[in-house]
This record gives sequence, C-alpha cells and structure tokens, in this order.
Amino acid sequence: QVQLVESGGGVVQPGRSLGLSCAASGFTFSNYDIHWVRQAPGEGLEWVAVISADGKTIFYADSVRGRFTISRDNPKNTLYLQMSSLRVEDTAIYFCVRVTVPGGPFDYWGQGTLVTVSS
Amino acid sequence: IVMTQSPATLSVSPGERATLSCRASQSVRSNLAWYQQKPGQAPRLLIYGASTRATGIPARFSGSGSGTEFTLTISSLQSEDFAVYYCHQYSNWWTFGQGTKVEIK
Repeated sequence: QVQLVESGGGVVQPGRSLGLSCAASGFTFSNYDIHWVRQAPGEGLEWVAVISADGKTIFYADSVRGRFTISRDNPKNTLYLQMSSLRVEDTAIYFCVRVTVPGGPFDYWGQGTLVTVSS
Repeated sequence: IVMTQSPATLSVSPGERATLSCRASQSVRSNLAWYQQKPGQAPRLLIYGASTRATGIPARFSGSGSGTEFTLTISSLQSEDFAVYYCHQYSNWWTFGQGTKVEIK
C-alpha cells in the first residue's frame, strides 16, 4: 500500500536550519508530483511547496520562498525539504503529500513530522 | 484564491444530516476537494472534482457545486464522522479553507 513517512523534525532555534525527509513506498515514486503541506498547532492547512515527478518543476509558497528548498531523489524514493532562516511562525507539522495527477487533488498524506522553532 | 468555510463549528446529533459550505474568492471550476482530519491524524481525501468520492469513502458523504460555491453533505452522521473538514482548491495554486469542526450535539 502507499506509504509516506516523514522524518527529521525537532526543536530548532530561530535563524537556524533543519532538513526533513519523506520516504515513499508502495507506488512508483518517480511518476508522481509530491507536495509539502504544513499545519501550525491547532490551525488549518497551508501549502508549502511542490516538486514535479522529474524534479524539474518546483514552486513555493510566498511565505517560504527563498528560505526553503524542495528536492527529491527518485532512485531512493525520497523527498526532501531543506529549511533555513527558520522563524517562529514556521512551527508546524509538516506533511508530505502525493497528488493523483499533476495539478490534481492530494490523495495520500504522510503522518507528518513536527518542527518547533523556539529560542 | 481564498477559500472560506462555514460554519466554523457544526453541532449535530448522530444520525442527523450535516451540511458544510465552502466558498472560493474566484472560480475554481470543479477543482475542489474535501478532506477529513481527526485529532493526531493526517487529513484523508473524501471528495475530489467537487463531487467524486475517493476510494473507500462511504456513500453517506457527497459533494456538490462548481465555480465558487461548494457543499459537503454527510447524510446520516456516524460516530466516526465527528472531525474537522477542510475544502481545498487545486485550480490555481493550492489553498485550503480554515476548516469546519463537526461536533456531537
């Protein structure tokens, strides 16, 4: 079955960096666009970034552009999110999410990994 | 595109019908999905294309609408349906509504 497992979350000070990973299994990873979506504690969902199946097309939310970098390693079935210049408002659960087709709805979500930015 | 859900909280008795609304600030055509999220869990896709149930979703969940006005209806609430529901447009970038919490009356 489709599985997405995030890792790498933790507590980090403002201004520092942190890297997240998402290990995929149960489907042909290289065929699917993958997104990062985050959810601040007790809040709603916020789209963060997307990378196309071949890794050549990338988009970011305004709130993270220039600070976050999304990438993927298709032979390793792994998605990454490198976060730098972290802010308190980046505190959230980060989910990696598969889409059904490019530009389509989000059909499978990982369980998420919590990033806490605090001094 | 700003997605606005109403009401913020809906109190419903088990077995009753629940109707949730979602409005888009501009047309998203039928590029609208609904997700259910329970505490401590990831969201789960319920409806996509405004009205198509995702795999394994019970028939008591139905979606309707197009353009800027959308509705999720749960025909007879079961205990496992009490959760937060989000609408999501994927027509022009990706944005979510703020959620509607369906709670036990």
